[in-house]
Amino acid sequence: SQQGEEDPQALSIQEGENATMNCSYKTSINNLQWYRQNSGRGLVHLILIRSNEREKHSGRLRVTLDTSKKSSSLLITASRAADTASYFCATAPTGGFKTIFGAGTRLFVKA
Amino acid sequence: SAVISQKPSRDICQRGTSLTIQCQVDSQVTMMFWYRQQPGQSLTLIATANQGSEATYESGFVIDKFPISRPNLTFSTLTVSNMSPEDSSIYLCSVEEGGMGTEAFFGQGTRLTVV
Repeated sequence: SQQGEEDPQALSIQEGENATMNCSYKTSINNLQWYRQNSGRGLVHLILIRSNEREKHSGRLRVTLDTSKKSSSLLITASRAADTASYFCATAPTGGFKTIFGAGTRLFVKA
Repeated sequence: SAVISQKPSRDICQRGTSLTIQCQVDSQVTMMFWYRQQPGQSLTLIATANQGSEATYESGFVIDKFPISRPNLTFSTLTVSNMSPEDSSIYLCSVEEGGMGTEAFFGQGTRLTVV
């Protein structure tokens, strides 16, 4: 079964607003990653957070990880129209042999 | 960071035919991964390709339908055989340079439409 479940499935906001996407997973993990996909192209890695980290920043991105709740969130601040894309969380389960991708959130930022 | 060249970027194929997708990596990597992404869906792992050995297929995917070659540490192909409209998807290859569960690098994807 799929490891990561994301919500919302779709999100539409105005340029300048913040966008928050959530990811939940089921088993213990080594790390959790967030990826971005534009228009069905290849995925681009955004950020990796390890299981012993609680928060990580990269530019306008902020990722949190709560291993007790088995959840993570991705916050994009001051969104831009160019942020319009699908965002996927991906987990590396402890002792696992493959990265498992969540269902994704489709973000639409209106100019 | 690895750079992956994947081709073709898209194709429209007749049912019953086969399509081979190629991925070339600019560095040597032990494992390459092939994913399928059906319209509006997430990525589903098809198989893991190791150089010099048979690919390892995930549940629901078989070698006869998705034969994979991995002749060296920088190249792999995935063939979608005897295609039907249900095979219409985006196919993606990726590598994880740092080992399993590390940052993955993806090819640009192949958008396949079967008519």
